[in-house]
Amino acid sequence: RKEVEQDPGPFNVPEGATVAFNCTYSNSASQSFFWYRQDCRKEPKLLMSVYSSGNEDGRFTAQLNRASQYISLLIRDSKLSDSATYLCVVNRFSGGYNKLIFGAGTRLAVHP
Amino acid sequence: DGGITQSPKYLFRKEGQNVTLSCEQNLNHDAMYWYRQDPGQGLRLIYYSQIVNDFQKGDIAEGYSVSREKKESFPLTVTSAQKNPTAFYLCASSKRGYNEQFFGPGTRLTVL
Repeated sequence: RKEVEQDPGPFNVPEGATVAFNCTYSNSASQSFFWYRQDCRKEPKLLMSVYSSGNEDGRFTAQLNRASQYISLLIRDSKLSDSATYLCVVNRFSGGYNKLIFGAGTRLAVHP
Repeated sequence: DGGITQSPKYLFRKEGQNVTLSCEQNLNHDAMYWYRQDPGQGLRLIYYSQIVNDFQKGDIAEGYSVSREKKESFPLTVTSAQKNPTAFYLCASSKRGYNEQFFGPGTRLTVL
């Protein structure tokens, strides 16, 4: 089983739609959670951190459920520019160091 | 402008040759990382360094080597021992003690 699992998609949605991505992680000791965005053939860029209480940044809302080891990202009022791959990321503490574990990503395609 | 630079953007090498990928940052970050990304897969950690003159193996270090002689620089050498070196290589950095990582634009290595 992968340490971080995501539905690969693609999610094809019209502009203005609301879309939700889910992610599960296997390490119950993980403490830090993030969503990164990666455009085609580009580097990942931090979209938002995910806090236990949930957090919102404009059209984006992230939720964390520690009991179920589940993270979600909700995008409201989708724009064409939201088309990208969204990476779910959790930390793993190993060998005295903190490392990030990346999911394979969920691809979103927003069409006119 | 502060940021992370990687060079070259594209690199072609013959099988059996060693090749060194450059990564430089002027963000004054202590920690630096090298990842590899293959199509349809998440980023996998090759090596990381929390401080100058110190580095640790990540999950897939075999066939790779690094050095960290300066805070700003963390070059990665892909040796001939790496069985499948063709991939997208990403360098990242972070403040010490923080999980948020910032990525360079990446180097696409193709071994012919």
